[in-house]
Amino acid sequence: GQQLNQSPQSMFIQEGEDVSMNCTSSSIFNTWLWYKQDPGEGPVLLIALYKAGELTSNGRLTAQFGITRKDSFLNISASIPSDVGIYFCAGPLIQGAQKLVFGQGTRLTINP
Amino acid sequence: NAGVTQTPKFRVLKTGQSMTLLCAQDMNHEYMYWYRQDPGMGLRLIHYSVGEGTTAKGEVPDGYNVSRLKKQNFLLGLESAAPSQTSVYFCASSSPKPSGTRTGELFFGEGSRLTVL
Repeated sequence: GQQLNQSPQSMFIQEGEDVSMNCTSSSIFNTWLWYKQDPGEGPVLLIALYKAGELTSNGRLTAQFGITRKDSFLNISASIPSDVGIYFCAGPLIQGAQKLVFGQGTRLTINP
Repeated sequence: NAGVTQTPKFRVLKTGQSMTLLCAQDMNHEYMYWYRQDPGMGLRLIHYSVGEGTTAKGEVPDGYNVSRLKKQNFLLGLESAAPSQTSVYFCASSSPKPSGTRTGELFFGEGSRLTVL
């Protein structure tokens, strides 16, 4: 089935640093979603991308829909302690469908 | 705002026992899902429902059954628990976006941690 591969699997950074992570797929996606999971909580949607090449920001977060439609990127600028968590990329198994397939996640740890 | 509520939050079972996880949503969402989360594997879809009285298999349905007798509730059952079913289970719900072609946002519960000994 379709798989999403996230990189890196984990990151250990200092507070204030910028963060970059990406997600790739062997199949074309028409929607890319980025979720964040805080410890002990369920994932929460951060950014949704619906068009190839689209660049969308949400505060210090910026995500891009790759031109090939097989990848997406998430950047976090000037990280703060509350950015700690697991970041997941996700996309629909079928275009327009509600079923999502998730990447393995990128675990972000921040040293104050 | 309750959103999506899962019960129980924690459960320990012995191999072969049965149990049911309950998910309730108060957002009048059409769609509901059950995912499991295992270390290094992200979230994998077990079963889902696109409306009251309907259910369908996801990526990893074996060993689980579901029911959606009421729109607001989605039950996940384990008839004979196995250690491989030790995981954190998440329920989610969503509604389609008005545009029809855009995937809607999924709202997740806080998770139910299940340990099978």
